[in-house]
Amino acid sequence: EVQLVESGGGLVKPGGSLRLSCAASGFTFSNYAMIWVRQAPGKGLEWVSRISNGGGTSIHYADSVKGRFTISRDNAKNSLYLQMNSLRAEDTALYYCARDAGAINFWGQGTLVTVSS
Amino acid sequence: DIVLTQSPDSLPVSLGERATINCKSSQDISYSSNNKNSLAWYQQRPGQPPKLLIYWASTRESGVPDRFSGSGSGTDFTLTISSLQAEDVAVYYCQQYYSPPHTFGQGTKLEIK
Repeated sequence: EVQLVESGGGLVKPGGSLRLSCAASGFTFSNYAMIWVRQAPGKGLEWVSRISNGGGTSIHYADSVKGRFTISRDNAKNSLYLQMNSLRAEDTALYYCARDAGAINFWGQGTLVTVSS
Repeated sequence: DIVLTQSPDSLPVSLGERATINCKSSQDISYSSNNKNSLAWYQQRPGQPPKLLIYWASTRESGVPDRFSGSGSGTDFTLTISSLQAEDVAVYYCQQYYSPPHTFGQGTKLEIK
């Protein structure tokens, strides 16, 4: 059974940092590109970042997070990460880890990040 | 970045009736090499993560009821629910995966009339 389990969310002050993790199981993790998508409370979906399969040499970010967020993966640990620095109030959202097969064919349940003083 | 614009924002439909949601792309998202359109549709029920319904604009994901269908090419796409069921109440999103960032439409809230 495919599973994606996010962790690392929480309450952080503006300007602070958080590192999100996503533990994958039930499929060959290294074969898939992986992405982070976020959803602010009551709002729509926003694509955040993507890392290619294998060594993850191809990486892309949304303009809204470029220079502040860093995506990475550890195929030996079947894990995806999102390092978030210089956090802003507008980064408050539920962050989903998802499997990218072109279209997104599997989503985690999400981890909530709240940026507030 | 490619902008996807969905219409309408909200759609009230009676049970058993047809629901149609549109998605317009700011640029062509079809591959000339294979004539495939990099467009997906997702359903998000309250409190749940999104669920993939349709990919390549018209290919139904495994397990998705056949009342859901996708059509369109180039810049204009449509998701159709042929006969609305109560469990179809949700927000529906289109997404392009032609070029990063793989943007989403703003969503269409489907409700029972």
